[in-house]
Amino acid sequence: EDQVTQSPEALRLQEGESSSLNCSYTVSGLRGLFWYRQDPGKGPEFLFTLYSAGEEKEKERLKATLTKKESFLHITAPKPEDSATYLCAVDSGAGSYQLTFGKGTKLSVIP
Amino acid sequence: DTAVSQTPKYLVTQMGNDKSIKCEQNLGHDTMYWYKQDSKKFLKIMFSYNNKELIINETVPNRFSPKSPDKAHLNLHINSLELGDSAVYFCASSQDETGPRGYTFGSGTRLTVV
Repeated sequence: EDQVTQSPEALRLQEGESSSLNCSYTVSGLRGLFWYRQDPGKGPEFLFTLYSAGEEKEKERLKATLTKKESFLHITAPKPEDSATYLCAVDSGAGSYQLTFGKGTKLSVIP
Repeated sequence: DTAVSQTPKYLVTQMGNDKSIKCEQNLGHDTMYWYKQDSKKFLKIMFSYNNKELIINETVPNRFSPKSPDKAHLNLHINSLELGDSAVYFCASSQDETGPRGYTFGSGTRLTVV
C-alpha cells in the first residue's frame, strides 16, 4: 500500500526566512510525485510534478526536488501570500491516476 | 470560465436524509474523481469514473453512489446520511494516462450532517 508522510505538520516562518517541507513516500513503483497548494475553503491547486530522482522544478519562490525516498519543497524568502497548506501526493497505479495524498504541511508566513 | 465546478458549495442536512452533489468539468478530461477531506484535512479517494465506467471504488459505504450521465459530469449521491459523513467533498478530473499536471480540483462542497 502506498504511503505518504509529510513533515512538519505545521510551520511558522518570518517573512524572508527560507525553509523546506518534507514528503517521504513508500510506493511499489513511482509514476509521479505531485505538489499541490491548498488555500482555506478551496480545492488543491497544482504546483509541480516530479518523475525521477534528481529532478528539480522551480516556480517563483518554490523549488521541488526528488530523491528515491522523499521530496522536498524549498521556500526561499517566503512572503505572507505563500501561507497555505502544501500537499504531496504520489501516483503509482496502472491506468488512470490514483493519487495517494499526505496530510499536508500548513505553512504560515508572518510579516 | 471554471474548469471543475461543484454544486452546492455548502450543504446542511439532517441525519437520515438523501442528498446529491453535482460536478461538471469543461476540460475534456477522460477521468473524474470524488475525494473526501475529513476534519484532519486528509484527502482520501472515494471513486473515479473513466468513460462512464467505475474504475476505483475504495472501502466506501454502499450509501454513497457515483453517477455519471456523460464524460463531463460525475454526481455523488448519498443515502441515509450519518453524522460521520460530515466533511468536505472534492470533485476532480484528469487526462487519463497523460498530463503531468495531475488532477484539477473543484472548490469543494462542505457537507454538514446534524
